[in-house]
Amino acid sequence: AQKITQTQPGMFVQEKEAVTLDCTYDTSDPSYGLFWYKQPSSGEMIFLIYQGSYDQQNATEGRYSLNFQKARKSANLVISASQLGDSAMYFCAMRWAGYSTLTFGKGTMLLVSP
Amino acid sequence: SAVISQKPSRDICQRGTSLTIQCQVDSQVTMMFWYRQQPGQSLTLIATANQGSEATYESGFVIDKFPISRPNLTFSTLTVSNMSPEDSSIYLCSVGEQGLGANVLTFGAGSRLTVL
Repeated sequence: AQKITQTQPGMFVQEKEAVTLDCTYDTSDPSYGLFWYKQPSSGEMIFLIYQGSYDQQNATEGRYSLNFQKARKSANLVISASQLGDSAMYFCAMRWAGYSTLTFGKGTMLLVSP
Repeated sequence: SAVISQKPSRDICQRGTSLTIQCQVDSQVTMMFWYRQQPGQSLTLIATANQGSEATYESGFVIDKFPISRPNLTFSTLTVSNMSPEDSSIYLCSVGEQGLGANVLTFGAGSRLTVL
């Protein structure tokens, strides 16, 4: 079965610290893509970072990096130097080969404290 | 990236009524997607809207309840019919576009519906 799992309902971190949000997936397909989105309280979905299953390097975008461990089927998001504005819901999502849409995990609520 | 405008941004509706949500994109796109996000939940795909053909619905969603129109390559509507409190959700329109080596979904700001 193809499935994506986020096991942390909520995470707390202090400003300027790094935080890792977990995401695991289950698929037998060799070709797939992994995405992370941020959803602030206002509700919009903001694309953060992408990792392809064949990519050799872990993806990075500014303060965001993706710790991609293919053998473990995990694609954890690492946010370095957390800021108050990082407080939001974070969703891991996956696209399987041949599909145009994304399947989302249940999300992790991140709260950054001063 | 594409700019997606959704209307209404929020509404409070009475049980049994219907509401149509509009999604306007500033560029032509082949496929548009409608997602639902129930309170405290993740996003669930309702349907894929293709221009010139019937929408493709996901399991658990039917055309009678969620009719979709796609009259051109920049516009789509989703109607939530005969609403009940269980339909209280955020409804999001999205389109796919190439960026950062992938086909990334870009979302509208969502339409937050509350059904009383």
